Amino acid sequence: AQSVAQPEDQVNVAEGNPLTVKCTYSVSGNPYLFWYVQYPNRGLQFLLKYITGDNLVKGSYGFEAEFNKSQTSFHLKKPSALVSDSALYFCAVLYSSASKIIFGSGTRLSIRP
Amino acid sequence: EAGVTQFPSHSVIEKGQTVTLRCDPISGHDNLYWYRRVMGKEIKFLLHFVKESKQDESGMPNNRFLAERTGGTYSTLKVQPAELEDSGVYFCASSPLTGNTEAFFGQGTRLTVV
Repeated sequence: AQSVAQPEDQVNVAEGNPLTVKCTYSVSGNPYLFWYVQYPNRGLQFLLKYITGDNLVKGSYGFEAEFNKSQTSFHLKKPSALVSDSALYFCAVLYSSASKIIFGSGTRLSIRP
Repeated sequence: EAGVTQFPSHSVIEKGQTVTLRCDPISGHDNLYWYRRVMGKEIKFLLHFVKESKQDESGMPNNRFLAERTGGTYSTLKVQPAELEDSGVYFCASSPLTGNTEAFFGQGTRLTVV
């Protein structure tokens, strides 16, 4: 079955330190992978996507993610965390342009000053 | 360019009542999705329209939920009669049919059934 897994419910990082939010997906063809962020009382905002090409993709707010086909992972990273990065992060996968988007369970990122 | 808009932003209704949520996608986007997030849980897929056709409605919880997209533009999601477990945030998203771009989400409608 097509699925996305975010193994961590919460990630806590000190400001200025690097952060990683993990995501793995089930294999089915060539999926398109996305990261979305939800700030309190806001809708989902697109961060970045992998469609094809370079495995390292860069997105908004200094975030990047690395597509790893052998490990079926698409971890979200940032070299230096900010307190304002604290939010709920969702990994998502799309298997074709006419299919549904499947979301992971979400990871709450908390950056302490 | 206007984004995806949802109305209302909040709705509080009593159990047994009817509520209709509306979503206006980005103009020209043929894909329209409805999702729901119940407090603290994952974002669950409800329904996917391609233009006015239901491409996938496997996520609709039961026959109390009815989604329409007449003319392939805006969509409505009606819950009738509402139950307590229907409470949550209902998100709508849209994307073009070609190009494999990301989906754009609305701000969501927070539904509370009391």
